[in-house]
Amino acid sequence: GAVVSQHPSWVICKSGTSVKIECRSLDFQATTMFWYRQFPKQSLMLMATSNEGSKATYEQGVEKDKFLINHASLTLSTLTVTSAHPEDSSFYICSARDHRSGPIGTGELFFGEGSRLTVL
Amino acid sequence: RKEVEQDPGPFNVPEGATVAFNCTYSNSASQSFFWYRQDCRKEPKLLMSVYSSGNEDGRFTAQLNRASQYISLLIRDSKLSDSATYLCVVNNKPGNTPLVFGKGTRLSVIA
Repeated sequence: GAVVSQHPSWVICKSGTSVKIECRSLDFQATTMFWYRQFPKQSLMLMATSNEGSKATYEQGVEKDKFLINHASLTLSTLTVTSAHPEDSSFYICSARDHRSGPIGTGELFFGEGSRLTVL
Repeated sequence: RKEVEQDPGPFNVPEGATVAFNCTYSNSASQSFFWYRQDCRKEPKLLMSVYSSGNEDGRFTAQLNRASQYISLLIRDSKLSDSATYLCVVNNKPGNTPLVFGKGTRLSVIA
C-alpha cells in the first residue's frame, strides 16, 4: 500500500515551546491530508483537513491559532503545536488518501506512524 | 445516533475461535466502508475495504448490508497476533473528505 511517513515519532518538550510535526506522502501526491489526535484509550479525533495551497479546515473546537497547519507541497503537510501545554500531550497522527487504490472513486486512507507528544 | 457505532468489547476469545464484529452507520448515503486495525500505541492500519458484494482476504471476511446499514467483519481461526482494536470506518461524502471512524472493538485472543 501507499506510504505515509511522519516525523518525529516521539517528542518531549517543555511547556510553552512549539513543536512541529511533519507528514509526508512518499509514493503518491496528496492534495489533502488529515490530522487526527488520539488520547489514551480514546478514539481518533479529527482535528483538521490540510489542503495543499490553501488554508486548512479545522473541526469545531480545535484552535487554529494553536494548531498551525501548512500544506506547502503535494507531499508535505506540517502541524505545529504552538505554546504547548501538558494538556496537549497526545498521539498525533496524519493521514492521506491514495486515490490509486480502494473502491473506485474513493481511495484508501493511509496513516503516518504517529507522533507521541509529551509536554512537561 | 452516532455516525458509526461499534460494540467496544473487549472480545476475549481462545486461539482458533471464530469471532465476528458488527458496525452500524447512520448515513444512508455513505459511499464506502473499511476495516482498520490499530495495535496499542500504534497508528491504524488498513485491514480491508468492504465491497458491496462482500469480500474475503484469507481468514478475514467483510460484509456490507446497505438495507440495514451495517458492516461486519468475521475472523476465522483466530491467532494471538489478531489481538488489536478493530475500527469500522465510513466514507460519507464523495471526493477527498475525511472518513468517519467508529470507536473500535477490542479483541484479545487468548492462548
